Amino acid sequence: DGGITQSPKYLFRKEGQNVTLSCEQNLNHDAMYWYRQDPGQGLRLIYYSQIVNDFQKGDIAEGYSVSREKKESFPLTVTSAQKNPTAFYLCASRRTAEGGSPLHFGNGTRLTVT
Amino acid sequence: AQSVTQLDSQVPVFEEAPVELRCNYSSSVSVYLFWYVQYPNQGLQLLLKYLSGSTLVKGINGFEAEFNKSQTSFHLRKPSVHISDTAEYFCAVTLGINAGGTSYGKLTFGQGTILTVHP
Repeated sequence: DGGITQSPKYLFRKEGQNVTLSCEQNLNHDAMYWYRQDPGQGLRLIYYSQIVNDFQKGDIAEGYSVSREKKESFPLTVTSAQKNPTAFYLCASRRTAEGGSPLHFGNGTRLTVT
Repeated sequence: AQSVTQLDSQVPVFEEAPVELRCNYSSSVSVYLFWYVQYPNQGLQLLLKYLSGSTLVKGINGFEAEFNKSQTSFHLRKPSVHISDTAEYFCAVTLGINAGGTSYGKLTFGQGTILTVHP
Protein backbone atom coordinates (compact mmCIF):
# COMPACT_ATOMS: atom_id res chain seq x y z
CA ASP A 1 0.00 0.00 0.00
CA GLY A 2 1.17 3.50 -0.77
CA GLY A 3 1.71 5.92 2.03
CA ILE A 4 4.00 8.16 4.03
CA THR A 5 6.48 6.73 6.50
CA GLN A 6 7.90 8.84 9.28
CA SER A 7 10.65 7.55 11.49
CA PRO A 8 11.31 7.24 14.30
CA LYS A 9 7.95 7.46 16.07
CA TYR A 10 9.56 8.77 19.27
CA LEU A 11 12.85 10.67 19.48
CA PHE A 12 14.70 11.96 22.51
CA ARG A 13 17.60 14.39 22.34
CA LYS A 14 19.66 16.57 24.60
CA GLU A 15 19.51 20.31 24.23
CA GLY A 16 22.12 21.64 21.81
CA GLN A 17 22.07 18.63 19.51
CA ASN A 18 20.81 18.65 15.95
CA VAL A 19 18.36 15.90 15.05
CA THR A 20 16.98 14.71 11.69
CA LEU A 21 13.45 13.40 11.21
CA SER A 22 12.85 11.09 8.28
CA CYS A 23 9.92 11.27 5.85
CA GLU A 24 9.52 8.92 2.89
CA GLN A 25 6.55 8.62 0.52
CA ASN A 26 5.76 6.09 -2.20
CA LEU A 27 2.69 7.90 -3.53
CA ASN A 28 4.60 9.54 -6.39
CA HIS A 29 3.51 12.94 -5.05
CA ASP A 30 5.29 16.06 -6.20
CA ALA A 31 4.67 18.24 -3.14
CA MET A 32 5.77 17.53 0.42
CA TYR A 33 5.28 19.44 3.67
CA TRP A 34 6.44 19.54 7.27
CA TYR A 35 4.09 20.68 10.01
CA ARG A 36 4.59 21.16 13.71
CA GLN A 37 1.72 20.41 16.08
CA ASP A 38 1.47 21.76 19.61
CA PRO A 39 -1.57 21.28 21.88
CA GLY A 40 -4.30 23.82 21.15
CA GLN A 41 -2.40 25.45 18.28
CA GLY A 42 -3.40 23.37 15.30
CA LEU A 43 -0.78 22.66 12.66
CA ARG A 44 1.85 25.19 11.65
CA LEU A 45 3.79 24.94 8.42
CA ILE A 46 7.58 24.68 8.76
CA TYR A 47 8.81 24.00 5.21
CA TYR A 48 7.36 22.78 1.95
CA SER A 49 8.63 21.52 -1.36
CA GLN A 50 6.69 21.61 -4.61
CA ILE A 51 9.24 19.68 -6.61
CA VAL A 52 12.57 17.92 -6.28
CA ASN A 53 15.55 20.16 -5.49
CA ASP A 54 13.31 23.04 -4.48
CA PHE A 55 11.85 24.02 -1.11
CA GLN A 56 10.41 27.10 0.57
CA LYS A 57 10.07 28.38 4.13
CA GLY A 58 6.71 28.15 5.77
CA ASP A 59 5.41 30.18 8.69
CA ILE A 60 7.83 28.93 11.37
CA ALA A 61 11.04 27.94 9.57
CA GLU A 62 13.52 29.44 12.02
CA GLY A 63 15.71 26.76 13.58
CA TYR A 64 14.80 24.13 10.98
CA SER A 65 16.33 22.97 7.70
CA VAL A 66 15.25 20.56 4.95
CA SER A 67 16.47 18.98 1.74
CA ARG A 68 14.66 17.46 -1.25
CA GLU A 69 17.22 15.51 -3.24
CA LYS A 70 14.78 12.75 -4.17
CA LYS A 71 11.09 12.87 -4.96
CA GLU A 72 10.35 10.29 -2.29
CA SER A 73 12.26 11.86 0.59
CA PHE A 74 11.96 15.12 2.54
CA PRO A 75 14.00 14.97 5.77
CA LEU A 76 13.68 17.69 8.40
CA THR A 77 16.59 18.73 10.62
CA VAL A 78 15.79 20.40 13.91
CA THR A 79 18.84 22.45 14.78
CA SER A 80 20.10 23.69 18.12
CA ALA A 81 18.88 27.14 17.09
CA GLN A 82 15.25 26.07 17.47
CA LYS A 83 14.29 27.52 20.84
CA ASN A 84 11.45 25.18 21.70
CA PRO A 85 11.83 21.99 19.66
CA THR A 86 9.73 19.60 21.75
CA ALA A 87 6.63 18.92 19.66
CA PHE A 88 4.81 16.46 17.41
CA TYR A 89 6.07 16.71 13.82
CA LEU A 90 3.94 15.69 10.87
CA CYS A 91 5.06 15.13 7.31
CA ALA A 92 2.52 15.33 4.49
CA SER A 93 2.41 15.08 0.74
CA ARG A 94 -0.03 15.84 -2.04
CA ARG A 95 -0.16 14.91 -5.72
CA THR A 96 0.43 18.51 -6.78
CA ALA A 97 0.86 21.80 -4.95
CA GLU A 98 -2.54 22.97 -6.24
CA GLY A 99 -4.91 23.79 -3.40
CA GLY A 100 -7.67 21.32 -4.25
CA SER A 101 -5.34 18.33 -3.98
CA PRO A 102 -5.78 16.89 -0.46
CA LEU A 103 -2.86 16.28 1.88
CA HIS A 104 -1.87 12.79 2.93
CA PHE A 105 -0.17 12.57 6.32
CA GLY A 106 2.37 10.31 7.97
CA ASN A 107 1.85 9.11 11.54
CA GLY A 108 4.21 11.67 13.00
CA THR A 109 7.36 11.83 15.08
CA ARG A 110 7.18 12.98 18.68
CA LEU A 111 10.38 14.80 19.55
CA THR A 112 11.37 15.46 23.15
CA VAL A 113 14.37 17.65 23.88
CA THR A 114 15.66 17.90 27.45
CA ALA B 1 -4.60 35.82 3.65
CA GLN B 2 -7.07 33.20 4.78
CA SER B 3 -7.76 32.14 8.37
CA VAL B 4 -9.85 29.50 10.13
CA THR B 5 -11.62 29.57 13.48
CA GLN B 6 -12.97 26.46 15.12
CA LEU B 7 -15.46 27.77 17.61
CA ASP B 8 -15.28 24.95 20.16
CA SER B 9 -12.07 23.51 21.56
CA GLN B 10 -13.90 20.55 23.14
CA VAL B 11 -17.27 18.95 22.42
CA PRO B 12 -18.55 16.17 24.70
CA VAL B 13 -21.55 14.13 23.54
CA PHE B 14 -23.26 10.89 24.35
CA GLU B 15 -23.19 7.92 22.03
CA GLU B 16 -25.92 7.96 19.33
CA ALA B 17 -26.51 11.69 19.80
CA PRO B 18 -26.08 14.12 16.88
CA VAL B 19 -23.05 16.40 16.80
CA GLU B 20 -22.00 19.59 15.03
CA LEU B 21 -18.43 20.88 15.00
CA ARG B 22 -18.29 24.51 13.97
CA CYS B 23 -15.81 26.09 11.59
CA ASN B 24 -15.70 29.65 10.25
CA TYR B 25 -13.20 30.92 7.73
CA SER B 26 -12.06 34.31 6.61
CA SER B 27 -11.14 35.00 3.01
CA SER B 28 -11.98 37.65 0.46
CA VAL B 29 -11.68 35.21 -2.43
CA SER B 30 -12.92 31.75 -3.30
CA VAL B 31 -11.68 28.89 -1.12
CA TYR B 32 -11.37 25.16 -0.85
CA LEU B 33 -12.36 23.70 2.52
CA PHE B 34 -11.40 20.48 4.25
CA TRP B 35 -12.11 18.53 7.42
CA TYR B 36 -9.50 16.16 8.82
CA VAL B 37 -9.64 13.76 11.77
CA GLN B 38 -6.73 12.81 14.03
CA TYR B 39 -6.75 9.84 16.37
CA PRO B 40 -4.27 9.87 19.30
CA ASN B 41 -0.61 9.75 18.27
CA GLN B 42 -1.45 9.44 14.60
CA GLY B 43 -1.40 11.65 11.54
CA LEU B 44 -4.41 13.38 10.04
CA GLN B 45 -6.89 11.62 7.80
CA LEU B 46 -9.13 13.39 5.29
CA LEU B 47 -12.83 13.27 6.19
CA LEU B 48 -14.23 15.36 3.37
CA LYS B 49 -13.55 18.34 1.15
CA TYR B 50 -15.42 21.12 -0.62
CA LEU B 51 -13.99 22.35 -3.91
CA SER B 52 -17.07 23.50 -5.82
CA GLY B 53 -20.59 22.43 -6.73
CA SER B 54 -23.09 21.15 -4.18
CA THR B 55 -22.74 22.90 -0.86
CA LEU B 56 -23.54 19.71 1.08
CA VAL B 57 -20.54 17.44 1.10
CA LYS B 58 -20.58 13.86 2.34
CA GLY B 59 -17.47 12.23 3.71
CA ILE B 60 -16.29 9.04 5.32
CA ASN B 61 -17.64 7.52 8.54
CA GLY B 62 -21.07 9.11 8.08
CA PHE B 63 -19.88 12.71 8.41
CA GLU B 64 -21.12 15.56 6.25
CA ALA B 65 -20.46 19.29 6.05
CA GLU B 66 -22.27 22.24 4.56
CA PHE B 67 -20.52 25.13 2.86
CA ASN B 68 -22.28 28.41 3.59
CA LYS B 69 -20.69 31.23 1.64
CA SER B 70 -22.81 34.02 3.14
CA GLN B 71 -21.92 32.98 6.67
CA THR B 72 -18.37 31.88 5.72
CA SER B 73 -18.92 28.63 7.55
CA PHE B 74 -18.20 24.95 6.95
CA HIS B 75 -19.71 23.10 9.90
CA LEU B 76 -19.21 19.36 10.27
CA ARG B 77 -22.16 17.17 11.31
CA LYS B 78 -23.00 13.59 12.10
CA PRO B 79 -26.56 12.49 12.97
CA SER B 80 -25.50 9.74 15.38
CA VAL B 81 -22.02 9.42 16.83
CA HIS B 82 -20.19 6.32 17.98
CA ILE B 83 -17.55 5.82 20.64
CA SER B 84 -15.00 5.33 17.84
CA ASP B 85 -15.60 8.91 16.64
CA THR B 86 -13.69 10.18 19.66
CA ALA B 87 -10.80 12.11 18.13
CA GLU B 88 -9.58 15.60 17.29
CA TYR B 89 -11.06 17.26 14.23
CA PHE B 90 -9.41 19.98 12.17
CA CYS B 91 -10.95 22.36 9.68
CA ALA B 92 -8.63 23.72 6.99
CA VAL B 93 -8.87 26.25 4.17
CA THR B 94 -6.87 27.10 1.09
CA LEU B 95 -7.39 29.55 -1.74
CA GLY B 96 -9.47 28.30 -4.67
CA ILE B 97 -8.21 28.03 -8.22
CA ASN B 98 -10.17 31.11 -9.26
CA ALA B 99 -8.62 33.21 -6.53
CA GLY B 100 -5.86 34.45 -8.76
CA GLY B 101 -3.55 31.55 -8.11
CA THR B 102 -1.48 30.82 -5.09
CA SER B 103 2.15 30.00 -5.01
CA TYR B 104 1.75 26.67 -3.24
CA GLY B 105 -1.85 26.04 -2.19
CA LYS B 106 -1.10 26.84 1.42
CA LEU B 107 -3.44 25.01 3.75
CA THR B 108 -4.34 26.92 6.91
CA PHE B 109 -5.60 24.82 9.80
CA GLY B 110 -7.91 25.68 12.65
CA GLN B 111 -6.86 24.96 16.20
CA GLY B 112 -8.80 21.73 16.40
CA THR B 113 -11.90 20.45 18.22
CA ILE B 114 -11.64 17.48 20.51
CA LEU B 115 -14.77 15.36 20.20
CA THR B 116 -15.35 13.00 23.12
CA VAL B 117 -18.16 10.48 22.82
CA HIS B 118 -19.38 9.07 26.12
CA PRO B 119 -21.26 5.75 26.50
